[in-house]
Amino acid sequence: AQSVAQPEDQVNVAEGNPLTVKCTYSVSGNPYLFWYVQYPNRGLQFLLKYITGDNLVKGSYGFEAEFNKSQTSFHLKKPSALVSDSALYFCAVRDNLYNNNDMRFGAGTRLTVKP
Amino acid sequence: GAGVSQSPRYKVAKRGQDVALRCDPISGHVSLFWYQQALGQGPEFLTYFQNEAQLDKSGLPSDRFFAERPEGSVSTLKIQRTQQEDSAVYLCASSLGEGGWSNEKLFFGSGTQLSVL
Repeated sequence: AQSVAQPEDQVNVAEGNPLTVKCTYSVSGNPYLFWYVQYPNRGLQFLLKYITGDNLVKGSYGFEAEFNKSQTSFHLKKPSALVSDSALYFCAVRDNLYNNNDMRFGAGTRLTVKP
Repeated sequence: GAGVSQSPRYKVAKRGQDVALRCDPISGHVSLFWYQQALGQGPEFLTYFQNEAQLDKSGLPSDRFFAERPEGSVSTLKIQRTQQEDSAVYLCASSLGEGGWSNEKLFFGSGTQLSVL
């Protein structure tokens, strides 16, 4: 079985400062890890994913995430936050077992970037 | 179409009514997923289709929930005898390839917000 936890319901940062949104996971096999963002009245949009290889993954809109196997974490980061980054962020994991169609999402972290 | 389209955007139902929610995935996408997102929670997996075949329905919460994708494109999620606990946003997502080994990203629709009174 797989699960994912986002320990922070809310993250507040000032524009221009670095941001981190935390995510930890649990899987039986090896993980496929994803970050999605949800703007109001919009569907979830893909930001980035980790499948294998380099632990630092770069994605859309300047976001990146670092896969840490020993800490079972996949934190989302951005060096300099923008007000337009304010949204709801979801971490998701799929165990890379065949026929595993269940992508598990965290409860989400609301990011607010203040001018 | 350009993206995944869901209709209606909002649905209000009286308890006990049947509802049908439609999903029009991106043209050519093989895999289609339905998720349920309760208020303040992340999406929860309901069911998965590969073309017209429903390969996984392990997330459907009861036998009142039924999904179909008869021609491998448009899908309908039907909820019979709706109850208040069915109130949620129902999200549809599609991806290009097969779900079995897929590590592909999902393309989500905007969802249908169901309110059962």
